[in-house]
Amino acid sequence: ETGVTQSPTHLIKTRGQQVTLRCSSQSGHNTVSWYQQALGQGPQFIFQYYREEENGRGNFPPRFSGLQFPNYSSELNVNALELDDSALYLCASRRWASNTGELFFGEGSRLTVL
Amino acid sequence: DQQVKQNSPSLSVQEGRISILNCDYTNSMFDYFLWYKKYPAEGPTFLISISSIKDKNEDGRFTVFLNKSAKHLSLHIVPSQPGDSAVYFCAASNKAAGNKLTFGGGTRVLVKP
Repeated sequence: ETGVTQSPTHLIKTRGQQVTLRCSSQSGHNTVSWYQQALGQGPQFIFQYYREEENGRGNFPPRFSGLQFPNYSSELNVNALELDDSALYLCASRRWASNTGELFFGEGSRLTVL
Repeated sequence: DQQVKQNSPSLSVQEGRISILNCDYTNSMFDYFLWYKKYPAEGPTFLISISSIKDKNEDGRFTVFLNKSAKHLSLHIVPSQPGDSAVYFCAASNKAAGNKLTFGGGTRVLVKP
């Protein structure tokens, strides 16, 4: 069983640029969500995708957007990067029918905005 | 508005002793609670969970207790081992709200040999 994989693992951008982060969900999982983890804090929910549509969104501005593809993989796009966007971005997947909310996380993409 | 709080940022315990991690929540609509463990440079990994209809769940060395009236849960690790040294996150979800996880800020546990 293949776990959640994310790319790139590390990247550095400058303020105002745009970034795309990628995620392959665990096999058999059809729901993908993205979390932002700032230094010293717990992960914060950005949004969730199911059946290629956004299904739930946290308190993040519209410059955070995403996609889910037919193979259930996903992208997170952030436009007009700000210094506060520096964080670990975690992708997680699960089966939509799961009752528990248990998520399986990737190792994350660490974004530094200068 | 922090709906899930872990008030102890760190915990140090001797190998073989009990580690007790605490978590408080404010949203009474949460119906599932989970604990995740995170090592540096890795994603969080699921440890143990409990439904809101139960007050205790046990899995090997790990036991989670839920006190709904106090909106409090705790994780007990007995006996603690050096490999348990990590950051532990408490999280809560509500199925009607799409099962998104709301995390606490984490507790860093150090188990001394």
